[in-house]
Amino acid sequence: DVKVTQSSRYLVKRTGEKVFLECVQDMDHENMFWYRQDPGLGLRLIYFSYDVKMKEKGDIPEGYSVSREKKERFSLILESASTNQTSMYLCASTKDDGDPEQFFGPGTRLTVL
Amino acid sequence: GQNIDQPTEMTATEGAIVQINCTYQTSGFNGLFWYQQHAGEAPTFLSYNVLDGLEEKGRFSSFLSRSKGYSYLLLKELQMKDSASYLCAEGSGAGSYQLTFGKGTKLSVIP
Repeated sequence: DVKVTQSSRYLVKRTGEKVFLECVQDMDHENMFWYRQDPGLGLRLIYFSYDVKMKEKGDIPEGYSVSREKKERFSLILESASTNQTSMYLCASTKDDGDPEQFFGPGTRLTVL
Repeated sequence: GQNIDQPTEMTATEGAIVQINCTYQTSGFNGLFWYQQHAGEAPTFLSYNVLDGLEEKGRFSSFLSRSKGYSYLLLKELQMKDSASYLCAEGSGAGSYQLTFGKGTKLSVIP
């Protein structure tokens, strides 16, 4: 079974703090993704990565950065958290073998006060 | 261009059939996906269509018309546990890896 785990289910931070959201997958997937999900807006892609040390901007990268130092781990970084970054953050991964199914982690609900 | 439209909410009766429609813009198209998401949980994969036609998988089927930029998800013999949001997503990029999601359709199944 593919397993995608995220470091926290719930996180509360203050405005201006640096926030790290961690995602780990155990199935040797090449591709990893970070989304945020907001009511009425659906899932929106923030960043993705096709390989170690590679990153690509998604639809809403502003205010975020990412790090992929190891194949199994993809980190989302909020350099200076703001209240409009309060959201559900979902990580996903896929294998680079023609099977396009994305496997999602359980999500991190981040609240920025 | 990936403007994806699907109804916001639908209600259907247990045991019935429901069809959830999705339209998308066809430029850069590389596959159409459906995901199911129960409240408070992560999305789970239901289906993937890259060619025209109907793909059947148990009680769920998905249809694609590339020329019309149209897909639907058909759920038969509805069960209460099918109450969830259904997310339509368009794939783009090499190998369909980049997904753009619609806002989701919240389906309520009533007795």
